[in-house]
Amino acid sequence: AQKVTQAQTEISVVEKEDVTLDCVYETRDTTYYLFWYKQPPSGELVFLIRRNSFDEQNEISGRYSWNFQKSTSSFNFTITASQVVDSAVYFCALRGPHDKIIFGKGTRLHILP
Amino acid sequence: DVKVTQSSRYLVKRTGEKVFLECVQDMDHENMFWYRQDPGLGLRLIYFSYDVKMKEKGDIPEGYSVSREKKERFSLILESASTNQTSMYLCASSILTGLAKNIQYFGAGTRLSVL
Repeated sequence: AQKVTQAQTEISVVEKEDVTLDCVYETRDTTYYLFWYKQPPSGELVFLIRRNSFDEQNEISGRYSWNFQKSTSSFNFTITASQVVDSAVYFCALRGPHDKIIFGKGTRLHILP
Repeated sequence: DVKVTQSSRYLVKRTGEKVFLECVQDMDHENMFWYRQDPGLGLRLIYFSYDVKMKEKGDIPEGYSVSREKKERFSLILESASTNQTSMYLCASSILTGLAKNIQYFGAGTRLSVL
């Protein structure tokens, strides 16, 4: 079965702190895609990153970075020097059968000023 | 930029009413999806469509139907709304091939309250 687990339901950090959001996935596919989405208070899910299972290189985009480790089936997301605008719900996701996306239940991140 | 537009941000309906939620995308995407989002349950797939007039059940299709008469429009229908269908509904679309394959782009959501 395919599954995405985000064990952290809610996290609060003070602005400028670094924070890591955990994501663990399960799949029997040898080729798969992983995603992160951000849902700010406005409600619209915003695509952040897609990672192919063949590419284990970590990725950095500004203050955002992603650590993909196939050995532990994890795809963690780190925000460096967090800002209040980073407050949102973050979803990790896995491409499932027939191109469906399987979402984790999300981690609500509060950045306190 | 991909644009997915949901016709209403907020909707209030009465039990038993027939409800239409509309979604339009402007990027010629083949795939379209309807999810509902509830606290603690994340996003759950209701229905999806790979092409015009095609539809597939998702994880929670009971009480819903869909219509895709044109490629850009995907409608979610609640035949007889019930209070347990009070939720946030999210529409998404994705392209079938190419570099952006599998990336779903979402609308702003419709928050439906059934009284």
